[in-house]
Amino acid sequence: DTGVSQDPRHKITKRGQNVTFRCDPISEHNRLYWYRQTLGQGPEFLTYFQNEAQLEKSRLLSDRFSAERPKGSFSTLEIQRTEQGDSAMYLCASSRFGQGNEQYFGPGTRLTVT
Amino acid sequence: GQNIDQPTEMTATEGAIVQINCTYQTSGFNGLFWYQQHAGEAPTFLSYNVLDGLEEKGRFSSFLSRSKGYSYLLLKELQMKDSASYLCAVRDEGQGSNYQLIWGAGTKLIIKP
Repeated sequence: DTGVSQDPRHKITKRGQNVTFRCDPISEHNRLYWYRQTLGQGPEFLTYFQNEAQLEKSRLLSDRFSAERPKGSFSTLEIQRTEQGDSAMYLCASSRFGQGNEQYFGPGTRLTVT
Repeated sequence: GQNIDQPTEMTATEGAIVQINCTYQTSGFNGLFWYQQHAGEAPTFLSYNVLDGLEEKGRFSSFLSRSKGYSYLLLKELQMKDSASYLCAVRDEGQGSNYQLIWGAGTKLIIKP
């Protein structure tokens, strides 16, 4: 068990560019979550997968954001036409099936849009 | 609507006890989590409550009252490494979801020698 990993750890991009982040969950976890966090705030839910199925997507998420988990293992989060307001820490978490099972977080990808 | 309230910041002394409160208003309830987050790092799990009462785990305890929409995290024998933000999160089944966690903004705990 090597924990949840995310790549890259930091990304600086210019406004209008597209970016893609990767998350590798803990291998036996079938649930995967994406969150966004800004300074002084709690994580904001973006989307959730159970195996390869995307079961929930935040109503706050614009259509510039898309996520995939094609084989039920790693996941990617893409942001198209980035805006300065997209600057944040993007966190990925995974968990086992079960309502009480805690989510294990990756180290996050810090995005800066200039 | 959904709302989770925590104090923004608290200060305590090394070796002392501190209680961090969390109140929530959600359309449904299916469990409450506490996480610790050090600056620049990811949140790490501390505790889970789904029934009323106190859950104790070493120096940390968490309490839940569902009728009052209230929880607290109790930290005993404070150590300097406990300086971090403490996040309260509620699983809100009322959103038609059994998976989404609603997060508070976190309480920044400062430990002084």
